[in-house]
Amino acid sequence: EPEVTQTPSHQVTQMGQEVILRCVPISNHLYFYWYRQILGQKVEFLVSFYNNEISEKSEIFDDQFSVERPDGSNFTLKIRSTKLEDSAMYFCASSPGGGNYEQYFGPGTRLTVT
Amino acid sequence: QKEVEQNSGPLSVPEGAIASLNCTYSDRGSQSFFWYRQYSGKSPELIMSIYSNGDKEDGRFTAQLNKASQYVSLLIRDSQPSDSATYLCAVKRGGADGLTFGKGTHLIIQP
Repeated sequence: EPEVTQTPSHQVTQMGQEVILRCVPISNHLYFYWYRQILGQKVEFLVSFYNNEISEKSEIFDDQFSVERPDGSNFTLKIRSTKLEDSAMYFCASSPGGGNYEQYFGPGTRLTVT
Repeated sequence: QKEVEQNSGPLSVPEGAIASLNCTYSDRGSQSFFWYRQYSGKSPELIMSIYSNGDKEDGRFTAQLNKASQYVSLLIRDSQPSDSATYLCAVKRGGADGLTFGKGTHLIIQP
């Protein structure tokens, strides 16, 4: 069964450094998403991406964040200058579209900012 | 402000019984409703989606939606110890909109 994959599974970085989190959505899915979950808190929406552009973004997704789909398979989230409060699990999700809005999540990347 | 409310639990249910999980949401523009299961340290796993008022059954799971009351529920029949997890309710508007999640209900199935 097709699944969303994410790399790395765990990333440790120092405050102020740039990180890129990578995702390979399910083939033929049209909508792509990033979410984060701070330890012990709820899953929070960051951004959605469709037709090679951002469709919606939350208040969390400020100028420090950016997304890209550099080729036909990868979908990346970049955090330009990490802060301690960026430490969280980051989940990528994809959705087929065409009236099917079910979102399938990848295993996540645990980001630790020191 | 879009809000999704769930009782955090823990909700303790004997094995073989029915577990009932509830969720309310604030955004009347919500069109799609989902239940996810999340084991500790893992990612959300989709269990059910529901788009219309009424009931939707899939195996041991039944989702119920009442848009007038802004209420979604999930019933798990013949509960198994492996059903012990946190159950997340999520809602969205249309198209590419992101999901708004509740904090989840921690369900414990007692053998």
